[in-house]
Amino acid sequence: GQNIDQPTEMTATEGAIVQINCTYQTSGFNGLFWYQQHAGEAPTFLSYNVLDGLEEKGRFSSFLSRSKGYSYLLLKELQMKDSASYLCAVRGPGKSTFGDGTTLTVKP
Amino acid sequence: DGGITQSPKYLFRKEGQNVTLSCEQNLNHDAMYWYRQDPGQGLRLIYYSQIVNDFQKGDIAEGYSVSREKKESFPLTVTSAQKNPTAFYLCASITSGGKNNEQFFGPGTRLTVL
Repeated sequence: GQNIDQPTEMTATEGAIVQINCTYQTSGFNGLFWYQQHAGEAPTFLSYNVLDGLEEKGRFSSFLSRSKGYSYLLLKELQMKDSASYLCAVRGPGKSTFGDGTTLTVKP
Repeated sequence: DGGITQSPKYLFRKEGQNVTLSCEQNLNHDAMYWYRQDPGQGLRLIYYSQIVNDFQKGDIAEGYSVSREKKESFPLTVTSAQKNPTAFYLCASITSGGKNNEQFFGPGTRLTVL
């Protein structure tokens, strides 16, 4: 099976940089995803990593180390609208397993 | 526009009643999924289907049933056997062999059992 750990809550200041970590143990690995979810809404796709290294997409970057079972999501130039839950998900054979999410609060 | 639709957005039912949540996609995706989300928690997989007329149990299938008679549709029935059905239900789909296997989510149905 899959086991995914990420911090429950984080707080950061507008304009700053924040890193959200995710560690996983897996019985099969077909990629790691990060999603953003605002309260009461469906998750929206942020990033996908299947090979080791850093993927950059605008203000958001995601890193993966398969040997360490570790990923992080980096958010730069934080804005108030970035306050949301961030979900780490590992795709195994045929299905994905989600972590419980990290609630990020951005303060002025 | 292509996408996934779920209806209704809010649903209220009395305890002991079965209820069916709809999920339709026009993305021509092969695989479809049902997740349940409780407050402060991540998504837990209920059922999934990788091809028409076939589906598999996820991690919390007890008290739920599904069908996949058409590629576009994957309805979920919450039965009276589900002990705590009040939750946010999300349907998702994915195309096999896609570039990044991104899951597309519907807007969700918030079910409240009174």
